[in-house]
Amino acid sequence: DAGVIQSPRHEVTEMGQEVTLRCKPISGHNSLFWYRQTMMRGLELLIYFNNNVPIDDSGMPEDRFSAKMPNASFSTLKIQPSEPRDSAVYFCASTPGAGSNYGYTFGSGTRLTVV
Amino acid sequence: AQKITQTQPGMFVQEKEAVTLDCTYDTSDPSYGLFWYKQPSSGEMIFLIYQGSYDQQNATEGRYSLNFQKARKSANLVISASQLGDSAMYFCAMSRVGDYKLSFGAGTTVTVRA
Repeated sequence: DAGVIQSPRHEVTEMGQEVTLRCKPISGHNSLFWYRQTMMRGLELLIYFNNNVPIDDSGMPEDRFSAKMPNASFSTLKIQPSEPRDSAVYFCASTPGAGSNYGYTFGSGTRLTVV
Repeated sequence: AQKITQTQPGMFVQEKEAVTLDCTYDTSDPSYGLFWYKQPSSGEMIFLIYQGSYDQQNATEGRYSLNFQKARKSANLVISASQLGDSAMYFCAMSRVGDYKLSFGAGTTVTVRA
């Protein structure tokens, strides 16, 4: 298995531009998570999906952030318009579902820099 | 709400020695899972070990073992026979069973010296 695949690995964009981050979970994993990592706030859960349905988006910072999961093999996290404070590493993770002992498999992350 | 506390921001350990990373948690749920992840300088998050709240024995995975003390709400990670490749940030995390959300501590940086 190729693991959780995220793209792009690095993204540099200007303030005000739209940014789209992509994630392909492991085949067969029913749950998908988007996390953001910063020095100041550590790892924060933004949103998670179960069977393609958003279950909890309480971690999404504001309306500029949106996430979709149109099918079991693809998810996007969009920021529009982007701001410098959105600069962070964004991780996608997936898990087979209930039964936490499976662990959560993380992608390599997208390092976003908004200038 | 769940809270994970890692009080050691950074630690140094000599190669081949053991190191213990502290983790305490706070939850009112009876069923939960505890995880440890490793994040090397390359940035990826690597799953190391899992402990369920009802597991009778402490979890072990190779050189990693989890010292689970339920009454104290602690889940310390022990790395035995440290190697230079163990130098990384280590995160403790917890989820409620069936909730899926994984909450992370602030992390502990481990530096292994030759």
